[in-house]
Parts: sequence; structure tokens; C-alpha cells
Amino acid sequence: DAGITQSPRHKVTETGTPVTLRCHQTENHRYMYWYRQDPGHGLRLIHYSYGVKDTDKGEVSDGYSVSRSKTEDFLLTLESATSSQTSVYFCAISGTRGDNEKLFFGSGTQLSVL
Amino acid sequence: TQLLEQSPQFLSIQEGENLTVYCNSSSVFSSLQWYRQEPGEGPVLLVTVVTGGEVKKLKRLTFQFGDARKDSSLHITAAQPGDTGLYLCAGDANNNDMRFGAGTRLTVKP
Repeated sequence: DAGITQSPRHKVTETGTPVTLRCHQTENHRYMYWYRQDPGHGLRLIHYSYGVKDTDKGEVSDGYSVSRSKTEDFLLTLESATSSQTSVYFCAISGTRGDNEKLFFGSGTQLSVL
Repeated sequence: TQLLEQSPQFLSIQEGENLTVYCNSSSVFSSLQWYRQEPGEGPVLLVTVVTGGEVKKLKRLTFQFGDARKDSSLHITAAQPGDTGLYLCAGDANNNDMRFGAGTRLTVKP
């Protein structure tokens, strides 16, 4: 199994509070991604990183920010959580992009915003 | 609307039956992938198809990429309870972002 650790695994928070989710990899892969998974929508890309301090927006980036200060760590921050951000969040890593891309996923973080 | 439409959304069958699930789009993809996801875990890559008309087999699972590279199917022969899970297709529509379908949730009853 790819060495990907997400923390926390579960979190309950209140509307308006900041939340940070952490993804840690031991594979030294260049690319890291944050997805959210919601019923009926599948997995949707929030942000991704193609190197230290290099990040870009995905399909559903509004309300989220990311940071990557080290190869192994990718943080997702909800500056002011809203109920619409209740979801399961998955971190993924890959060594390449495009046709040869193989995504390896963490076990997910269940976030509930009350 | 989803870029990739998967059908059926839910499928419940008995052990030993055969089944086919579908992944369709109006867009052309340079490659399509299939993942399986079990409860409480992240998706795990099963296969990548890159050539129109390509067929790949993984034990009892057969994956096909449409000739026009707009669709794909997954056929399972003699399904087993261990095949239970959420099957997701994902495609790279030439912008290097993998887009996922909503999935087919398969339950195989003993």
C-alpha cells in the first residue's frame, strides 16, 4: 500500500471555524491532490500540487486553500467552514500526470460542519 | 451534469451471477481508469485503458474501452461477495485533470 496518511480521520466542527486537514506521504511523489466525495457527485478535485510551493486550483476550489511547504506534506484549509463543506475528503498522490497517471489515495477524512 | 455518467447507480446480485457496468461520456478521453472503493477506504486503481477498442482482463474482471474513446465497460464473471464495493471510472480529458464518475455501488450477496 502507498504510504499516505490523512489526519484527522474524523472531525466535527461548527460553521465559521477554520479547519485544516493534513496529508502526509512517504513515497516522495511529486504530485499531491485533495478531492472531496459526495453522494451523486463522485470525487471532485479541490486543489493539487505539482511541487513544493507549487499549487493550482481544481474543479471546486472556492472556500478552500492549500499549502505544500515540504514534498511529503499537503495541507487543506477551510478558512471558515460552511455546512456545504460537510464531505469526505481524500488526499491522493501520483508520480506523473496525464495518460500514465496512477492515483494512490489515502483513507479519507470525514468532516461534518454543524 | 457529470462529465462521466455511470450506470447503473446501484446493483445488487447473487453470488455467481455475471454483470456489466458502464461509463459513458460525450467527450473523448485520452485514457480511462477504473477504481474500486470499499467502505471507509480510498479508491484503489484496477486498470487503465488508453487505446480505443482495448480490452484488458484482470482475473474475472474484463474492461473495455470504446472504439471512439468516449465510453468504457466493466464486466464481472461469476461475481463473489469480495467484489462488493463502489466502482468508479475516471478519465483524463486532455487537460491532465482526472475527472470521476459518481460510481456504481455493487452488492454481491452470498
